[in-house]
Amino acid sequence: KNEVEQSPQNLTAQEGEFITINCSYSVGISALHWLQQHPGGGIVSLFMLSSGKKKHGRLIATINIQEKHSSLHITASHPRDSAVYICAVENNDMRFGAGTRLTVKP
Amino acid sequence: GAVVSQHPSWVICKSGTSVKIECRSLDFQATTMFWYRQFPKQSLMLMATSNEGSKATYEQGVEKDKFLINHASLTLSTLTVTSAHPEDSSFYICSAIQGVGGMGYTFGSGTRLTVV
Repeated sequence: KNEVEQSPQNLTAQEGEFITINCSYSVGISALHWLQQHPGGGIVSLFMLSSGKKKHGRLIATINIQEKHSSLHITASHPRDSAVYICAVENNDMRFGAGTRLTVKP
Repeated sequence: GAVVSQHPSWVICKSGTSVKIECRSLDFQATTMFWYRQFPKQSLMLMATSNEGSKATYEQGVEKDKFLINHASLTLSTLTVTSAHPEDSSFYICSAIQGVGGMGYTFGSGTRLTVV
């Protein structure tokens, strides 16, 4: 079993829909990252959080340390949000989830 | 916030040649930098950890003579893929930690290497 599990693996949504991507982990962490990887491969760091909730534009990330769970929400999704979203946790090193491939259709 | 710049963002090279990828911390000193590799539709995998001024520590299965890592300064680490082959075609990404015992990884944007 992977130490970082993401769900779903693939997600297709219609433009405007509210999207949730989940991340569960089994190790103690000091921080959790959400990364966005575009089709060309380029990585963008979306959030780093160790507690509570962060918001940036239409993106919201939450983390529950006790439950070892984080969610990434996208409100009013748009086709340009189509990408792979990766959850990564910091322990003594970084552990990555397998990613969630999001496709938003117009 | 902390920024890590990685160059080039993409590179195409001929088989047998060497390619250098740079990872720079722009506004902080990065005592430790990490290099990852991602095969298509797979997760990022750690290749090596480099500490400034010392030899890199490679993960099992990563050839240190093929993937040369240099971390000569607190703001620059380089990964050189030597005698590249088509199977080295992949996505390479670096990350850095601020200072000694620092927490909080900052990621570069990645480099897509295609060997033809």
